[in-house]
Amino acid sequence: DIQMTQSPSSLSASVGDRVTITCQASQDISNFLNWFQQKSGKAPNLLIHDASNLQTGVPSRFSGSGSGTHFTLTISSLKPEDIATYYCQQYDNLPLTFGGGTKVEIK
Amino acid sequence: QVHLVQAGAEVKKPGASVKVSCKASGYPFSSYLFNWVRQARGQGLEWMGWINPNSGDTGYAQKFRDRVTITRDTSINTAYMELSSLTSEDTAVYYCARGPEYCRGGWCHPDGSFDVWGQGTMVIVSS
Repeated sequence: DIQMTQSPSSLSASVGDRVTITCQASQDISNFLNWFQQKSGKAPNLLIHDASNLQTGVPSRFSGSGSGTHFTLTISSLKPEDIATYYCQQYDNLPLTFGGGTKVEIK
Repeated sequence: QVHLVQAGAEVKKPGASVKVSCKASGYPFSSYLFNWVRQARGQGLEWMGWINPNSGDTGYAQKFRDRVTITRDTSINTAYMELSSLTSEDTAVYYCARGPEYCRGGWCHPDGSFDVWGQGTMVIVSS
């Protein structure tokens, strides 16, 4: 199975800060990488697909980059409604696997 | 509007089975794969398997292969996930999610871009 490692596991930032979350795959997955946001008690929500493509309806302050084994999710200016846990997910090979998550809190 | 609506919570005893339903509306039922993802309390997301509602083809994560069966009923636009031989470690929220199919070199499998999710079904396994 392809292992997905996210860092940090949690972070605290101020409103307006630039936030970066990283995701490392245990092998080359090209750009077969998605990012999800999950708010407390809710189902996950697709933010970014294929490493860098913003899902329809997602605010433009979210962006994704990377290929191969190293990927990043960036929130350009953190808003209070961005409080959530973020997960990366690979679909290069089965089983689909998720990273362990990054919990984002407001300082 | 596109919706996936799941059945309510289930409480089961160890060793029993549970069957969770996921009813789709607002789009052609057969045009997306159904996937099942679970999440134990305070834990991350774990993909369990998928079904192609058009062909009935399925695929399962190795971890669950001996215990999980995913089916669909096209007459009522509903997908199901049945998990058997339950233990306390199966206590979790179970989500269905739709997503496209990705095909490469004649092999097709889920594209993980799950754009619509059910609300989740809590399954509690307790004696």
